[in-house]
Amino acid sequence: DAKTTQPPSMDCAEGRAANLPCNHSTISGNEYVYWYRQIHSQGPQYIIHGLKNNETNEMASLIITEDRKSSTLILPHATLRDTAVYYCIVRVAGGSSNTGKLIFGQGTTLQVKP
Amino acid sequence: NAGVTQTPKFRVLKTGQSMTLLCAQDMNHEYMYWYRQDPGMGLRLIHYSVGEGTTAKGEVPDGYNVSRLKKQNFLLGLESAAPSQTSVYFCASSPAWGNEQYFGPGTRLTVT
Repeated sequence: DAKTTQPPSMDCAEGRAANLPCNHSTISGNEYVYWYRQIHSQGPQYIIHGLKNNETNEMASLIITEDRKSSTLILPHATLRDTAVYYCIVRVAGGSSNTGKLIFGQGTTLQVKP
Repeated sequence: NAGVTQTPKFRVLKTGQSMTLLCAQDMNHEYMYWYRQDPGMGLRLIHYSVGEGTTAKGEVPDGYNVSRLKKQNFLLGLESAAPSQTSVYFCASSPAWGNEQYFGPGTRLTVT
């Protein structure tokens, strides 16, 4: 699985959009980009994933560059409850040899401030 | 629908004692996982299971054993606890060939 690079920390004002970047320059053609977050002392929570098209769900939007070497997770209207560590993970999805293993790095600590 | 539950939430062990952590999921997922998380670090995979009756080693399996006798349960055992096993343990599950993993609330284990 490809390695990802994220900034260690970011701040965002409450109500504003939070844009969290992730670099994955060695991503392979069959690897997806996943985002999870972990609110203090809780289990990680799945947010969104994508292959090459931009994706949106009720929690966030995922923008993947055309060359797929980087992506941005967007929380459109951040709240104090969005304060968490955000993990960008690249892995192959599906297939008989895939075990679903996730490789968590250090992630980005997002602090949403009032 | 409780999702993924873990028992117990907290535990303190003395070095050399044994214990079993229980993970249960009610989503009929095929895959289940045990992770550990140490301060300031991401999660590391201990063992996983791709179906009832099967288990496999992850990144850091030493000192742990697992069993998946029933599809909905995945047990993590420590036969002889060591201080290095002080950690927060998370269980997760996912559908076969699935994408997202669903995590439990964690078990905080301290070994003195």
